[in-house]
Amino acid sequence: GEDVEQSLFLSVREGDSSVINCTYTDSSSTYLYWYKQEPGAGLQLLTYIFSNMDMKQDQRLTVLLNKKDKHLSLRIADTQTGDSAIYFCAETRRDSSYKLIFGSGTRLLVRP
Amino acid sequence: EAGVTQFPSHSVIEKGQTVTLRCDPISGHDNLYWYRRVMGKEIKFLLHFVKESKQDESGMPNNRFLAERTGGTYSTLKVQPAELEDSGVYFCASSQQGDDKDTQYFGPGTRLTVL
Repeated sequence: GEDVEQSLFLSVREGDSSVINCTYTDSSSTYLYWYKQEPGAGLQLLTYIFSNMDMKQDQRLTVLLNKKDKHLSLRIADTQTGDSAIYFCAETRRDSSYKLIFGSGTRLLVRP
Repeated sequence: EAGVTQFPSHSVIEKGQTVTLRCDPISGHDNLYWYRRVMGKEIKFLLHFVKESKQDESGMPNNRFLAERTGGTYSTLKVQPAELEDSGVYFCASSQQGDDKDTQYFGPGTRLTVL
């Protein structure tokens, strides 16, 4: 099975908040990341959180980390149509150098 | 500053043929990574170069895949002979040595279709 899991699809109305969830299995995670992929583009790093933090806020983005449940979430406030994309969560692990371990991505659709 | 570039953006080949993908990392980045996403699944790590040396090639699927980084600048990933299951998007990323969180910057990817 996958080490990092995400739901496949999320649809929200413009102006609402979006919450994209991710679960991981390995307790040796060091950093956890959120990447965004727009159509035809590469992966853009949105934000990251160190594993000893619980929360990180960056403008419209809020990352919450629950280490006990191995659950990571990305909240996008006031979601805009330009936020429509695929969002990948990823982790690096203490025993795996710096390679990123990705989830399968959540496709966010923002309806006008 | 130019980002990570990849060539070609798309490649369509027949089973049994050879394809070579190229990645130019951000100038000065010693770390170079290859990843791929197959059939809408998760993005999987293939290998990691530090300069011209292979640091970790644990994700390479089999010996039909050969990655090189001569001179420690650009890298190539050759698939020979290509099989149907090799279809997917191949991403390259680079990062600076010594960056504690190793922020990886990704290229746009090469979409490979094997018919």
